[in-house]
Amino acid sequence: SQTIHQWPATLVQPVGSPLSLECTVEGTSNPNLYWYRQAAGRGLQLLFYSVGIGQISSEVPQNLSASRPQDRQFILSSKKLLLSDSGFYLCAWSIGGRETQYFGPGTRLLVL
Amino acid sequence: GQNIDQPTEMTATEGAIVQINCTYQTSGFNGLFWYQQHAGEAPTFLSYNVLDGLEEKGRFSSFLSRSKGYSYLLLKELQMKDSASYLCAVHNAGNNRKLIWGLGTSLAVNP
Repeated sequence: SQTIHQWPATLVQPVGSPLSLECTVEGTSNPNLYWYRQAAGRGLQLLFYSVGIGQISSEVPQNLSASRPQDRQFILSSKKLLLSDSGFYLCAWSIGGRETQYFGPGTRLLVL
Repeated sequence: GQNIDQPTEMTATEGAIVQINCTYQTSGFNGLFWYQQHAGEAPTFLSYNVLDGLEEKGRFSSFLSRSKGYSYLLLKELQMKDSASYLCAVHNAGNNRKLIWGLGTSLAVNP
């Protein structure tokens, strides 16, 4: 069966510091991968998605970037965090066809 | 534009039935999803509809009318653990692998 891991679970970072969140998927090959952010009490905002190694599509121009160095690894980064980057970051995967997305446990980021 | 509408909040009583509606306006349609999200947790997949009609899965059922751009999620025999946010999402074929998400309906089940 497939599983998706995200770490860390929670993170408190000062404004201006760098960020690296990692997501890995097990039990499947060539998944589509997604990074979402959910602000408190708000809906899901798609940040990036990837259909293959090195293929990243950006949905929201901002100070975040994503990379996919391996088939089942997706990384979300920032060089300098802003207060507005606080939120719940979710990684998800899907397999082509029905496009059902399955989410990881999420990382709660607080930027102070 | 592309839009998904859901009620913001609903309340219901334990043991009762509740229907959560979702209307959508998208330039294409390739399926509709319902997800459940408990507070502080990630969304979990509940159901998928691509053809008109009712799909039943235990206490949960989901209905779709493509001609009306309308879906509902029906929860029967409500339990306290059903208190959560319910998200409606549409796969627009023109949007590649992306889903269009509603803002979610927060359901509170009272004893």
